[in-house]
Amino acid sequence: GAVVSQHPSRVICKSGTSVKIECRSLDFQATTMFWYRQFPKKSLMLMATSNEGSKATYEQGVEKDKFLINHASLTLSTLTVTSAHPEDSSFYICSASAADRERETQYFGPGTRLLVL
Amino acid sequence: AQTVTQSQPEMSVQEAETVTLSCTYDTSENNYYLFWYKQPPSRQMILVIRQEAYKQQNATENRFSVNFQKAAKSFSLKISDSQLGDTAMYFCAFMHQGAQKLVFGQGTRLTINP
Repeated sequence: GAVVSQHPSRVICKSGTSVKIECRSLDFQATTMFWYRQFPKKSLMLMATSNEGSKATYEQGVEKDKFLINHASLTLSTLTVTSAHPEDSSFYICSASAADRERETQYFGPGTRLLVL
Repeated sequence: AQTVTQSQPEMSVQEAETVTLSCTYDTSENNYYLFWYKQPPSRQMILVIRQEAYKQQNATENRFSVNFQKAAKSFSLKISDSQLGDTAMYFCAFMHQGAQKLVFGQGTRLTINP
């Protein structure tokens, strides 16, 4: 149990376009979802925390108007990279904590590789 | 702010050997959680083991065990009888009790050689 999926797994887009990444909890209800960014050979950096039905909390330095996060249901959160630029190219990972399990355990999705040309 | 330090960027051992990955952290809090996550080449993050700070007993999961030294703020991971499938990046992570934010270390790239 506790499976998290992400779609797409990889995406290539042109500079200036917007890209939406979906994160779904497949077999549990996720009260909280998290979005991370990972540069090559680096650690995970938390971008934002989202709770179902409320606005996301962004980490310092993360532009909330550029990285739009929506957590409309207990099983789905989306990250939209607006007006993407080459510097937004990265590996984006979501995670979720389950409503009926230990809140401190996060289950991770497989990640989405974004390449902006 | 909490920080997590992994001082070994890379490690390499032979299959079946035992290897220990080090992790230290800095916090002024007394109640927290510590984790080791594994990220294989597929890049899927996998929880290896977790430790509650209030528990004195070290956590174990099959071949994986930790040495939790609360006073020293140290949380090392020992992998016994290492297998080729253990090859991965290993991240140590900290979470303050009551908060859900995970703070990750820089990672250690572990290679198990045949």
